[in-house]
Amino acid sequence: DAGVIQSPRHEVTEMGQEVTLRCKPISGHDYLFWYRQTMMRGLELLIYFNNNVPIDDSGMPEDRFSAKMPNASFSTLKIQPSEPRDSAVYFCASSHTPRGTGYTFGSGTRLTVV
Amino acid sequence: AQSVTQLGSHVSVSEGALVLLRCNYSSSVPPYLFWYVQYPNQGLQLLLKYTTGATLVKGINGFEAEFKKSETSFHLTKPSAHMSDAAEYFCAVSDQTGAGNMLTFGGGTRLMVKP
Repeated sequence: DAGVIQSPRHEVTEMGQEVTLRCKPISGHDYLFWYRQTMMRGLELLIYFNNNVPIDDSGMPEDRFSAKMPNASFSTLKIQPSEPRDSAVYFCASSHTPRGTGYTFGSGTRLTVV
Repeated sequence: AQSVTQLGSHVSVSEGALVLLRCNYSSSVPPYLFWYVQYPNQGLQLLLKYTTGATLVKGINGFEAEFKKSETSFHLTKPSAHMSDAAEYFCAVSDQTGAGNMLTFGGGTRLMVKP
């Protein structure tokens, strides 16, 4: 199993540009989570999906952020327009029921907005 | 609602010394408990977990944790620290009755190992 795959690993973009982060969960996992990690705020849950349906997006900071999961093997997190304060490491994680299995995290995308 | 508190955002130990990272949780029902480790520039990886059964759980790299219901704790220990243990450690709890397969994470503890 290749694990949770995120791309790109690093992204540097200019303020105002659109940024798309990608995630491929582990096959068979029915939950997918997007997290953001910064020194100041630590690990924050942005949104999670169950069976490709968004369940809770209350952690999405602003309307500039959107996430989709068109099928069980792919999800995107988009920021449009990007701002310097969006600079962070974004993690995708997946898991499957029953409870107690824990999450498997991807290696993350380090986003720098200049 | 469940919550996790990790006492000490930074812990420093000497190589060969005991590692003790503290985690306390709150949950209205028996929880599932997890420890994750994050090495620099990497994602979080599962170190160990407690679901049911034996309260002393052994994980990778010589780490272990003990579930103590009376103290609502799940502290992580390792008898002898190694330089390669330097990382950030996260405790997490899953409420069995919560909706969905959700983990609540603590704020993390950064472990530094001195030579």
